Amino acid sequence: DIQMTQSPFSLSASVGDRVTITCRASQDIRNDLGWYQQKPGKAPKRLIYAASSLQSGVPSRFSGSGSGTEFTLTISSLQPEDFATYYCLQHNSYPRTFGQGTKVEIK
Amino acid sequence: EVQLLESGGGLVQPGGSLRLSCAASGFIFSSHAMNWVRQSPGKGLEWVSVISGSGGSTYYADSVKGRFTISRDSSKNTLYLQMNSLTAEDTAVYYCAREYSGSSLLDPWGQGTLVTVSS
Repeated sequence: DIQMTQSPFSLSASVGDRVTITCRASQDIRNDLGWYQQKPGKAPKRLIYAASSLQSGVPSRFSGSGSGTEFTLTISSLQPEDFATYYCLQHNSYPRTFGQGTKVEIK
Repeated sequence: EVQLLESGGGLVQPGGSLRLSCAASGFIFSSHAMNWVRQSPGKGLEWVSVISGSGGSTYYADSVKGRFTISRDSSKNTLYLQMNSLTAEDTAVYYCAREYSGSSLLDPWGQGTLVTVSS
């Protein structure tokens, strides 16, 4: 099975900060990776697919990059509504696997 | 509007069974693979299972293989998850999610249904 190692586990940031979250795959997954945002008590929502393609309706301050084994999600200027937990998900092979999640908290 | 609505969660004793349903609307159900994802209280997301649009292909997480069965009924636009031999480790909110062909993006997700395994 492919292991997804996400870091950091949590971070504190201020509105306007640039935030970067990393996911590392235990083997090459090409660009078969998506990013999701989850707020407390809510279902996850999609942000990015194919590692770097922004899903329709997602603000342009979100961006994704990477391929192979290392991937990043960047929020260029953190907004109040962005405080949430973020997950990566690989769909290169079964079973699909999520990263452990990164909780973005207000500093 | 695309909607997914899970049901069937509840309290079940260890060793028991439960069947979850996910009613889909607003899209051509048979054109999309469908997934189940779960989240234990205070924990991260865990992918559980997927079924192809035709229902001919299914895959499972190792943690549920042999105990859970995913299925779908296109005449009812409904996805199912039959869960047997439940343990406390299966306690979680279970989400269904539509999968986009090509990108494999999961969108949208249902609101989730809580399964509690306890005596």
